[in-house]
Amino acid sequence: GENVEQHPSTLSVQEGDSAVIKCTYSDSASNYFPWYKQELGKRPQLIIDIRSNVGEKKDQRIAVTLNKTAKHFSLHITETQPEDSAVYFCAAKAGGTSYGKLTFGQGTILTVHP
Amino acid sequence: SAVISQKPSRDICQRGTSLTIQCQVDSQVTMMFWYRQQPGQSLTLIATANQGSEATYESGFVIDKFPISRPNLTFSTLTVSNMSPEDSSIYLCSVEGQGGGYTFGSGTRLTVV
Repeated sequence: GENVEQHPSTLSVQEGDSAVIKCTYSDSASNYFPWYKQELGKRPQLIIDIRSNVGEKKDQRIAVTLNKTAKHFSLHITETQPEDSAVYFCAAKAGGTSYGKLTFGQGTILTVHP
Repeated sequence: SAVISQKPSRDICQRGTSLTIQCQVDSQVTMMFWYRQQPGQSLTLIATANQGSEATYESGFVIDKFPISRPNLTFSTLTVSNMSPEDSSIYLCSVEGQGGGYTFGSGTRLTVV
């Protein structure tokens, strides 16, 4: 089945700096890659996603890039703010016979210091 | 995106008992997904629930421990049976919306004592 590896496990930045979180996946049939933000005690919230026919997608301060050949995708947050502090999860949606399932990375604890 | 109502939001249960978690979606969906999130960990898929057929369980999860019902296209339940302290986790249901994004219920925080 699909395996998603996420790095780093923790990331600490100063307010205004950029933050980058990277994920790799194993199943070349995976075709959808969402990123979730989870604040303490709350449900995961979708912040951006990308499909396998697109290389990059941007939404204000957040961007995601996808390299299908290398099977990795990254989340970029620019001009970080303290409210960006949370746990971020990447995920990959399986194709083929496992269609529809999301497999999650291990998560990254992002701390933005004022 | 779909809106999911999940309940209970939390519960404290005695070991050996069972708890049933409910998820109601505001639109019809083909598949509903049940996840477990252990403290400080990522989300692990327990099973996929399809209406009209038995749920499909992931490796390490069995129907006797986590029976699932899916009586219609907007509702599902997950039961955690014969609970032990190791079952203390957050349980979340999820659906894929029409736009392709997955949304989650608010979660059920289970503590087994």
